[in-house]
Amino acid sequence: QSALTQPASVSGSPGQSITISCTGTSSDIGAYNYVSWFQQQPGKAPKVMIYDVSNRPSGVSNRFSGSKSGNTASLTISGLQAEDEADYYCSSYTTSGSGVFGTGTQVTVL
Amino acid sequence: EVQLVESGGTSVQPGGSLKLSCEASGFTLSGSIVHWVRQASGKGLEWVGRIRIKTHGYATAYAESVKGRFTISRDDSKNTAHLQMNSLKIEDTAVYYCTRLAVSGTWRFDPWGQGTLVTVSS
Repeated sequence: QSALTQPASVSGSPGQSITISCTGTSSDIGAYNYVSWFQQQPGKAPKVMIYDVSNRPSGVSNRFSGSKSGNTASLTISGLQAEDEADYYCSSYTTSGSGVFGTGTQVTVL
Repeated sequence: EVQLVESGGTSVQPGGSLKLSCEASGFTLSGSIVHWVRQASGKGLEWVGRIRIKTHGYATAYAESVKGRFTISRDDSKNTAHLQMNSLKIEDTAVYYCTRLAVSGTWRFDPWGQGTLVTVSS
């Protein structure tokens, strides 16, 4: 199972919106609505920001939103803030019953 | 507080074995599918494997990179899951996290443990 493809880095100014893409195949992202997004700060464990494509856990800012089209999922962060600077990973369930993560995207707030 | 705590990480020589543990508190682990994820220093997250619950026969699945070498098990009476790692390779060096699917039928990993470092080196 190959890793899902994400851009290595995305940047934006405070207040702007950015979108991170996550491209898979018909055997993972395209097969189910089981896509999650995680935020990871340096030295910390990942934190779920979006699950099942577009659901947001309680406590996560509504500035974070998710969507999916075909084999590509997306995470949008609106009203970018300095605290959003972190690494972001997508993840999907696969048709083989396993999981797969994306290559990771470093978000920089300019 | 719902929490997972990993333990057992240490330094080991190539070809050696190690068993990691993941203990749950604040909830009953027996109702949750447990996943293990690892992260080499400066690298991305890599899915390692998972174990389902008793009603699904404790079915396991593994990444190709660890299949045949790693085994996931669980002891629901101790609210704990384990990752047995055999024939360790240098490339298995990583921080190992355990996590669970918070709600059955979703792809929501929550919580995550703090991670335990495994170093494979001669």
